[in-house]
Amino acid sequence: GENVEQHPSTLSVQEGDSAVIKCTYSDSASNYFPWYKQELGKRPQLIIDIRSNVGEKKDQRIAVTLNKTAKHFSLHITETQPEDSAVYFCAATTYNQGGKLIFGQGTELSVKP
Amino acid sequence: DTGVSQDPRHKITKRGQNVTFRCDPISEHNRLYWYRQTLGQGPEFLTYFQNEAQLEKSRLLSDRFSAERPKGSFSTLEIQRTEQGDSAMYLCASTITGANTGELFFGEGSRLTVL
Repeated sequence: GENVEQHPSTLSVQEGDSAVIKCTYSDSASNYFPWYKQELGKRPQLIIDIRSNVGEKKDQRIAVTLNKTAKHFSLHITETQPEDSAVYFCAATTYNQGGKLIFGQGTELSVKP
Repeated sequence: DTGVSQDPRHKITKRGQNVTFRCDPISEHNRLYWYRQTLGQGPEFLTYFQNEAQLEKSRLLSDRFSAERPKGSFSTLEIQRTEQGDSAMYLCASTITGANTGELFFGEGSRLTVL
C-alpha cells in the first residue's frame, strides 16, 4: 500500500521568510496530493491540492510542486506570517479508486515575529 | 453548522470498557472515513464507507474495532474492551464522489482517554 514520508518534522522561520516542506510517496498509482493545515486543537483543513497531470499549482502565498518521476511533492509558503504557524500534513491517494488519504507524519511550522 | 459533527468530543473511560463514537457527515456526502490521530502523528486511516457499504478496513485495525453506517447517513465507531493504547483522537471525515475536488471535510474529532 501507499506510504508517505514527510520532512522536516519541525520547522522554524522568521516572519517574512519562506518555508518548504517535502514529501515522498511510494505508490506510483497515486494521482492526488493534498496538503492540510491543522491548528492546535482544530480539525485538519485543506489548503491546496495537486493532481498528477499538473507539475505546479499556486494560490497566493502557497504553492505545491510535484515530481512524478521522483515521487515527491513539496509545499512552499512565501512571506510567512505568524498565523501560518500550525502543523502541516501532506497526503496521497489514488483519487478514483477509493480516495482514502494516506497522510505524512506532519511538520510543525513555527513563524517567529 | 452544516459541517461534519462528532460526538462526544471527549471521552474518558477505564480500561476494558466499551466506547462508541458517532459521526454525522455533511448531508449530501456519500463517503465517510474514520481516522485515528495520536500526538505528533498524521491521521491514520481506519475504515471508510460509501453510502452504507464498508468498503475498506485497515489491516492495522483489531477485531475490537467495529464501524457501521446503517442508513448511509451517520456512522458509529465502537471500540470494545478498550486498552490504554487506544487513547487517541478519532477523526471522522466525509466527501462526495464525482466532485471536482477530492477534499475531505473533517470533524473536530472525539478524543479518547483510556485510564
